[in-house]
Amino acid sequence: QVQLVESGGGVVQPGRSLRLSCAASGFIFRSYAMHWVRQAPGKGLEWVAIVSYDGRNKYYGESVKGRFTISRENSKNTLYLQMNSLRAEDTAVYYCVKDLGLDPSIAAAGTFEYWGQGTLVTVSP
Amino acid sequence: EIVLTQSPATLSLSPGERATLSCRANQSVSSDLAWYQQKPGQAPRLLIYDASNRATGIPARFSGSGSGTDFTLTISSLESEDFAVYYCQQRSNWPSFGQGTKLEIK
Repeated sequence: QVQLVESGGGVVQPGRSLRLSCAASGFIFRSYAMHWVRQAPGKGLEWVAIVSYDGRNKYYGESVKGRFTISRENSKNTLYLQMNSLRAEDTAVYYCVKDLGLDPSIAAAGTFEYWGQGTLVTVSP
Repeated sequence: EIVLTQSPATLSLSPGERATLSCRANQSVSSDLAWYQQKPGQAPRLLIYDASNRATGIPARFSGSGSGTDFTLTISSLESEDFAVYYCQQRSNWPSFGQGTKLEIK
């Protein structure tokens, strides 16, 4: 069965950095695009970033562009999110998400098939 | 930017009733639309993708329809476990979500 386990969340001061990790199992990790999606407390869902199956292509939501970096290490079945210059509005549960992957093209990606349990990031003085 | 508007914000129904949830896009998303269910304290779960295809393991009482700008999620006969928040999401452009519809027990 597919498992996605996030780690690395916590409390961090504004302007500081944090790196999230996601350990994947139960599927061929190197064959699928992967995403980060976040949810502020009591709010809706916001797509954060996508990385292609091979790590070559990466795209970001406007609110995190230039501050966050998504990456993956296929040899370790692990997805990462490096978050720099954190702001209070980045406070959220961050979910690691497997793309449905019916088409290998990243242009066709964007259906969120399996989700991790999430890790909470709190940005506060 | 593609904006998705869901209605109603809250839907109060009883078990066994039929639920109809709507999602409207401000421009065409073709059939590139999905629906998710989220229960308190849990991650979202994919229900429907490409407007009308049920995801793996999703019961047949869930169905999706629509194309272009208007979409509907229908739950034919509500079970107790169906009361949750439902989100629509498009992938025609950069992914975006609707604000959610809370389905609550009447």
